[in-house]
Amino acid sequence: DVKVTQSSRYLVKRTGEKVFLECVQDMDHENMFWYRQDPGLGLRLIYFSYDVKMKEKGDIPEGYSVSREKKERFSLILESASTNQTSMYLCASSPAESTSSSYGYTFGSGTRLTVV
Amino acid sequence: DQQVKQNSPSLSVQEGRISILNCDYTNSMFDYFLWYKKYPAEGPTFLISISSIKDKNEDGRFTVFLNKSAKHLSLHIVPSQPGDSAVYFCAASDVGGDDKIIFGKGTRLHILP
Repeated sequence: DVKVTQSSRYLVKRTGEKVFLECVQDMDHENMFWYRQDPGLGLRLIYFSYDVKMKEKGDIPEGYSVSREKKERFSLILESASTNQTSMYLCASSPAESTSSSYGYTFGSGTRLTVV
Repeated sequence: DQQVKQNSPSLSVQEGRISILNCDYTNSMFDYFLWYKKYPAEGPTFLISISSIKDKNEDGRFTVFLNKSAKHLSLHIVPSQPGDSAVYFCAASDVGGDDKIIFGKGTRLHILP
């Protein structure tokens, strides 16, 4: 069964901490994405990557950075966590030419991050 | 500016009845449309999709209808079951574009016993 695995389901961090959220996929997908989901705001794209060592800003990149050193791993970094970054974070992956596929993205189970 | 709009934040439907979730879009270049379902504390899962060259796609209890002239699609669930209670995201993509899928804000569906 194909999988996108996020390292933590629940995380509590203090304001100002540097936070790493890890995502690994086993489908040999080229594309990987980080979203956050907030009530009433839906899924908002933070960063994405179409290849190793490549990254592109999404709609809300401020306060975040990413790293993709290997094809299967895409890390989201909160440089200095703030309370407004409390959210559900979702990683997704897709093959190249995903928009022509019938299923789009495969999502991980999410990480519920609380910043106190 | 929202390219994919789900104007109903929530919807309540009696068990056994039909659930209809609506979605509007503004970008006429979209040529693939998808619906995802999300339970609390889980990631979204793919439900059903439709190409813009079709006007209907059916998979078991789930049917998606596409009206290109109105830039409108809908997801029909018949009959609705308790396990259908979830948030449903409408999404769209432009094959000739930047290979990203654009999501709506979601509609929370409550199936009432």
